[in-house]
Amino acid sequence: KQEVTQIPAALSVPEGENLVLNCSFTDSAIYNLQWFRQDPGKGLTSLLLIQSSQREQTSGRLNASLDKSSGRSTLYIAASQPGDSATYLCAVIISNFGNEKLTFGTGTRLTIIP
Amino acid sequence: DTGVSQDPRHKITKRGQNVTFRCDPISEHNRLYWYRQTLGQGPEFLTYFQNEAQLEKSRLLSDRFSAERPKGSFSTLEIQRTEQGDSAMYLCASSHYASWRSFANEQFFGPGTRLTVL
Repeated sequence: KQEVTQIPAALSVPEGENLVLNCSFTDSAIYNLQWFRQDPGKGLTSLLLIQSSQREQTSGRLNASLDKSSGRSTLYIAASQPGDSATYLCAVIISNFGNEKLTFGTGTRLTIIP
Repeated sequence: DTGVSQDPRHKITKRGQNVTFRCDPISEHNRLYWYRQTLGQGPEFLTYFQNEAQLEKSRLLSDRFSAERPKGSFSTLEIQRTEQGDSAMYLCASSHYASWRSFANEQFFGPGTRLTVL
């Protein structure tokens, strides 16, 4: 059974700093890895999707990397801003006969201190 | 069509009552997924549809839960005889699935329906 772990569970950093969020998964036979952002009481916003054949994806100040062999992904946020405060979730897909269900980690709650 | 929508956004009910939630996916998406998220946890898969066919149900989906997607467009999730343990955020996601692709497809989520069972 695929398990996804995110450490730390919570992180506080001063505004302007660069930071890294970590995600690990137990089964390396994944198709995709997605990073999401979730604001309190809200739904999920997709940030980046990395296909299994890719090693990284970038969008603005965000960069996500994927190392399938070690079962790890990182989300790098550059020049953090208070608006980046949210919970960040990673999720993987193992395509089981076409069912592309996402298996999520428990998330990292990020607080950017002004 | 600007994204996945869900209705209602919040539902408070008494234990034992039935509730129904609706999800409207992105219009050209043929796949629709339901997930449940409890406080402090990541979402967990419940069930999914391809067009109108329900192709898989998680063991989390007890017989009190039923989901439909009658015309391959919107979907409903009904919970009968609600219990306090059903209190959670119910999330819907959609994607465009193409079997010929060698990679999985990005899922887009709605805002969720927060259920509170008193």
